[in-house]
Amino acid sequence: GENVEQHPSTLSVQEGDSAVIKCTYSDSASNYFPWYKQELGKRPQLIIDIRSNVGEKKDQRIAVTLNKTAKHFSLHITETQPEDSAVYFCAASRATGTASKLTFGTGTRLQVTL
Amino acid sequence: DAGVTQSPTHLIKTRGQQVTLRCSPKSGHDTVSWYQQALGQGPQFIFQYYEEEERQRGNFPDRFSGHQFPNYSSELNVNALLLGDSALYLCASSPLLPLGYTFGSGTRLTVV
Repeated sequence: GENVEQHPSTLSVQEGDSAVIKCTYSDSASNYFPWYKQELGKRPQLIIDIRSNVGEKKDQRIAVTLNKTAKHFSLHITETQPEDSAVYFCAASRATGTASKLTFGTGTRLQVTL
Repeated sequence: DAGVTQSPTHLIKTRGQQVTLRCSPKSGHDTVSWYQQALGQGPQFIFQYYEEEERQRGNFPDRFSGHQFPNYSSELNVNALLLGDSALYLCASSPLLPLGYTFGSGTRLTVV
């Protein structure tokens, strides 16, 4: 089955700096790659996603890149703010017409310091 | 527009007991998935329901079972509870395609 590895497990940056989180996946048939932000005690919230027919997607300060050949995708957060502090999860899915389970990475705890 | 609602929010059970967790999907969503999130870990896929059938299942024992009702709501049942079943149980709903999971706030299950 699919396996998703995520690095680093913790990341501390100063406010205004950029943060990069990297994930690799094992199933070459995976075609959907979302990123979730989870604050302490709260639900995971989708922040950005990318499909396998796209190499890069950007939404304001957040961007995701996908390299299908290397089976690698990354989350980039620019101009970090204290409210960006949370645990971030990458996930991968082989979405078909009848099923679409997500396989999650182990998470990255991002701390943005003043 | 209500999002995904789960009940109860917290639950304490004794080893060997049975538990039922409930989920109402977001309006317009017909697919419900259940995930188990242990402390400090990523969510692990339990199973997914679409058209009242289990469409996909993760690596969980048969003690974990579920159901989807005609109104798309769903239940997760866990029998013979073990201490290791203590976790946050998340329900996520989506249209089958295109993808776009919305998670509920979860049920925190503690087994003592």
